[in-house]
Amino acid sequence: QVQLQESGPGLVKPSETLSLTCSVSGGSISSDYWSWIRQPPGKGLEWIGYIYNRGNTNYNPSLQSRVTISVDTSKNQFSLRLSSVTAADTAVYYCARLGGSGPRGWFDPWGQGTLVTVSS
Amino acid sequence: SYDLTQPPSVSVSPGQTASITCSGDKLGDKYGCWYQQKPGQSPVLVIYQGTKRPSGIPERFSGSNSGNTATLTISGTQAMDEADYYCQAWDSSTVVFGGGTKLTVL
Repeated sequence: QVQLQESGPGLVKPSETLSLTCSVSGGSISSDYWSWIRQPPGKGLEWIGYIYNRGNTNYNPSLQSRVTISVDTSKNQFSLRLSSVTAADTAVYYCARLGGSGPRGWFDPWGQGTLVTVSS
Repeated sequence: SYDLTQPPSVSVSPGQTASITCSGDKLGDKYGCWYQQKPGQSPVLVIYQGTKRPSGIPERFSGSNSGNTATLTISGTQAMDEADYYCQAWDSSTVVFGGGTKLTVL
């Protein structure tokens, strides 16, 4: 069964770029859609974006100007970059598989999540 | 933008039926999903495509749609069902989550 694991720095300075990687095991990243979702402490879920077909992407309009999602098929990983971060970007970041082949799909499974704090 | 509205909290007695609603324009046409999140854990899919239950999810979880409202029903609620529940739907090619509902099993 597919498993996902997030990795990356837990602390990022304001105005810098947040970078996270999601490692996929038990399945090929060349198929399916893959997504990033975040959750500020004590708050709800916010979709960030997804990637499919080895490079096509779709982003949350509210974050689109700062977000890049990419895939490395050789490592079976996909990544998130979020630029010009502020304290409002402090959150647990989850990666997830988007089942059902994209639009109209569902997130399953999810990674365990990684807390990223934006602070100087 | 498209919004999904959930009640902040719902309470239920053990063994009773809990219903959590999610409201949005024409939500019944948007293939809604439901996720369960327990404290300190990642969300888990419990309902997809409005009414389907993934393997491993107990039969007491069910989903329904009607017009602008999707409902997650938990029959015979158990203490282990106490969690936050989020609905999710699609608005064109973008994902929208509801604000979440805290289910308390009293």
